[in-house]
Amino acid sequence: NAGVTQTPKFRVLKTGQSMTLLCAQDMNHEYMYWYRQDPGMGLRLIHYSVGEGTTAKGEVPDGYNVSRLKKQNFLLGLESAAPSQTSVYFCASTPFQDETQYFGPGTRLLVL
Amino acid sequence: SQQGEEDPQALSIQEGENATMNCSYKTSINNLQWYRQNSGRGLVHLILIRSNEREKHSGRLRVTLDTSKKSSSLLITASRAADTASYFCAHYGMRFGAGTRLTVKP
Repeated sequence: NAGVTQTPKFRVLKTGQSMTLLCAQDMNHEYMYWYRQDPGMGLRLIHYSVGEGTTAKGEVPDGYNVSRLKKQNFLLGLESAAPSQTSVYFCASTPFQDETQYFGPGTRLLVL
Repeated sequence: SQQGEEDPQALSIQEGENATMNCSYKTSINNLQWYRQNSGRGLVHLILIRSNEREKHSGRLRVTLDTSKKSSSLLITASRAADTASYFCAHYGMRFGAGTRLTVKP
């Protein structure tokens, strides 16, 4: 199993551009999460999903949208990137009735 | 949602020494988890301790949980340079704190 994979690994955007980050998991996990991590800080939850077709807001959802059209994929979209969205983005997944989160390797995003 | 608070923020030790880091939380929990993050990488689950457990071991890791004090500790024995990483405590519905940055010097 590949586990949790994230695409791309690194991206540079100009302010105002849009992009989509892809998270894929091959473990048949029900729950998926998007976090951002900034220097010296813990992970902050952006959005999460408890199943295919469902999404919910986390702690810092503004400026981001998500979709979970397929159980194995969780997409994070930035409609109009801002420098404040420069961060490392992590995706994670959790099996049903379990609380252990399995993390992807991260996507480093720089917004100029 | 509640946040785990790790203490200390940073810890530097020599290889072979033991490392202890602590976590405090504010709500009632069913279990507590510890994760490790190597620089620039995703978090890796280390160990889960349930609320009815007081101590749990996994290799060189020892975790304790005191639900009356709402605190947990992670002990890494006989540390190695490869243990250099950030360590986080977490519980479902609880935010990840800033973690403890452990540096093990060869």
